[in-house]
Amino acid sequence: EVQLVESGGGLVQPGGSLRLSCAASGFTFNKFYMSWVRQAPGKALEWVSATSGSGISTYYGDAVKGRFTISRDNSKNTLYLQMNSLRVEDTAIYYCAKGSPGVPAAGVFESWGQGTLVTVSS
Amino acid sequence: EIVMTQSPATLSVSPGERATLSCRASQSVTSSLAWYQQKPGQAPRLLIYGASTRATGIPDRFSGSGSGTEFTLTISRLQSGDFAVYYCQQYNNWPPITFGQGTRLEIK
Repeated sequence: EVQLVESGGGLVQPGGSLRLSCAASGFTFNKFYMSWVRQAPGKALEWVSATSGSGISTYYGDAVKGRFTISRDNSKNTLYLQMNSLRVEDTAIYYCAKGSPGVPAAGVFESWGQGTLVTVSS
Repeated sequence: EIVMTQSPATLSVSPGERATLSCRASQSVTSSLAWYQQKPGQAPRLLIYGASTRATGIPDRFSGSGSGTEFTLTISRLQSGDFAVYYCQQYNNWPPITFGQGTRLEIK
């Protein structure tokens, strides 16, 4: 059974930093693209970032480009999101999601974690 | 960026009836279209991908159709557990991957 467990969320001031983690199990982690998707309170889903199975290729949404960095440690089956220069509008639940095999199907999110809440406020 | 527009924003349907949800893309996404269901306090769940292929474990009451720019999710014989928010998402040419704003399916 696929399991994705996020951690690292919390309250941070504007301009601050936070690192999210997603521990994966139940599948061959290094074979799959992984993404971060966020959801602001009462709002729609927003794709944030994705990385290939090897971690060599990374992709970002315009809203976070230059501020967030996605990475993965395949030896630990863990996905990360380093978030710098945080803004109030980054407040959201952050989900990690497993992509389906292949490209562009890697953009199909067949499994999701339960999410971790990031609140950016002074 | 491909903009996904869902309609209606809210749909009221009685249990046992059929619900039809629409999704339009600002440019062709061929059949690279997925649907997700999200219940309050829960993560989204994949229902449909490739516009019409049900994900593992999804009952055949859920069906998807369309290609290009116009897509439909149909849920027949609505059950209490089906009342939720539904999102469409395109993955044809990414980045970025884009979602619609969601349709809330509520009990009439």
